[in-house]
Amino acid sequence: GAGVSQSPRYKVAKRGQDVALRCDPISGHVSLFWYQQALGQGPEFLTYFQNEAQLDKSGLPSDRFFAERPEGSVSTLKIQRTQQEDSAVYLCASSLAGTNQPQHFGDGTRLSIL
Amino acid sequence: GQNIDQPTEMTATEGAIVQINCTYQTSGFNGLFWYQQHAGEAPTFLSYNVLDGLEEKGRFSSFLSRSKGYSYLLLKELQMKDSASYLCAVRDSRKGNKLVFGAGTILRVKS
Repeated sequence: GAGVSQSPRYKVAKRGQDVALRCDPISGHVSLFWYQQALGQGPEFLTYFQNEAQLDKSGLPSDRFFAERPEGSVSTLKIQRTQQEDSAVYLCASSLAGTNQPQHFGDGTRLSIL
Repeated sequence: GQNIDQPTEMTATEGAIVQINCTYQTSGFNGLFWYQQHAGEAPTFLSYNVLDGLEEKGRFSSFLSRSKGYSYLLLKELQMKDSASYLCAVRDSRKGNKLVFGAGTILRVKS
């Protein structure tokens, strides 16, 4: 596809369950970013990959959050033992290379924890 | 982000001009982006400023003053479809050059 694709679009899980969110970046984009967006707020940085290397994971809120990009393309954000405060929209973005290039965002996954 | 300030909401009339301001505080400024986000959709890139001055792109222009820690997004000939949230994001070298976003300004265009 031409843009960044995220799945699922919506996810409802019970507190304590594990969830996995997928991101397909734009083909050829080296850099991939994950953000968390609460209602009425701007996106907040979670983690950043350059190819398969995770260069920055300083925004991950706890060790329950884990992200990977094993082949330098598709990425998965995993949240273990979900809590209600994890409810948010999770956005993925990709760029040609680095953080000084415009980032192209997917529509996000809206996660609701019951 | 706590160091980026934007008005929460603005209202303007179709066909008019509106200016959305953004102020930031960081000693590690390394570029500023503006994004548009319709409700429930992805943020889309509008503009990028790293040097002082005005960048014009069709109906949208963005201005930067690094000495004042200030930027604005100017929207001309407003259309109803411009109703959206406008996000200011600063690239901060003190934070690994990652983007720090403001909370966004919700613009409502009325006929």
